[in-house]
Amino acid sequence: EAQVTQNPRYLITVTGKKLTVTCSQNMNHEYMSWYRQDPGLGLRQIYYSMNVEVTDKGDVPEGYKVSRKEKRNFPLILESPSPNQTSLYFCASSLGSGTGAADTQYFGPGTRLTVL
Amino acid sequence: GQNIDQPTEMTATEGAIVQINCTYQTSGFNGLFWYQQHAGEAPTFLSYNVLDGLEEKGRFSSFLSRSKGYSYLLLKELQMKDSASYLCAVRDRSGGNNRKLIWGLGTSLAVNP
Repeated sequence: EAQVTQNPRYLITVTGKKLTVTCSQNMNHEYMSWYRQDPGLGLRQIYYSMNVEVTDKGDVPEGYKVSRKEKRNFPLILESPSPNQTSLYFCASSLGSGTGAADTQYFGPGTRLTVL
Repeated sequence: GQNIDQPTEMTATEGAIVQINCTYQTSGFNGLFWYQQHAGEAPTFLSYNVLDGLEEKGRFSSFLSRSKGYSYLLLKELQMKDSASYLCAVRDRSGGNNRKLIWGLGTSLAVNP
């Protein structure tokens, strides 16, 4: 089954404790992206990756890091989480062609993060 | 600049028809997507328009007018399970990321019996 998986699905942590949210897709997609979703602010892109070893900042990258060492995986790293990073996080992937309906983004199930 | 507007909330009755509007401003339009998102879940793809006109998929249809920067999503024969947020997103090829989607804040639709 074609899918994007994320782990963990729920996480409660404390300020300053490094954490990693994993994301994996099995569709051989080139383009992967991390979003956070907050009430009243919608989906905001954190980082994206056009392909292996190619990553770039989105609209709200501060406090986050990513890596893309393999095509299927795109982990999100919070080196020193703070309460303002409490949010619902989504990983998404797409073919990466940049055209057509086939380049729609497929989303993982989400990770609800609470930073105390 | 880039901007997408859609109503915050709508209410409709089971069995009825509802139209959710989306207006956008972007310099490098390259397609418009509609996604459905149930509370606490991931957005799922509903429809795509890149040319003017109507695209129909079962109970859902989406319309686009590029000259007006306008789209709508039409939901027919509403069911209770259609209660969700509907997100309008525009793919923008200006700037460094031509796969980037500009997202609206979503329209929360409540379907009442």
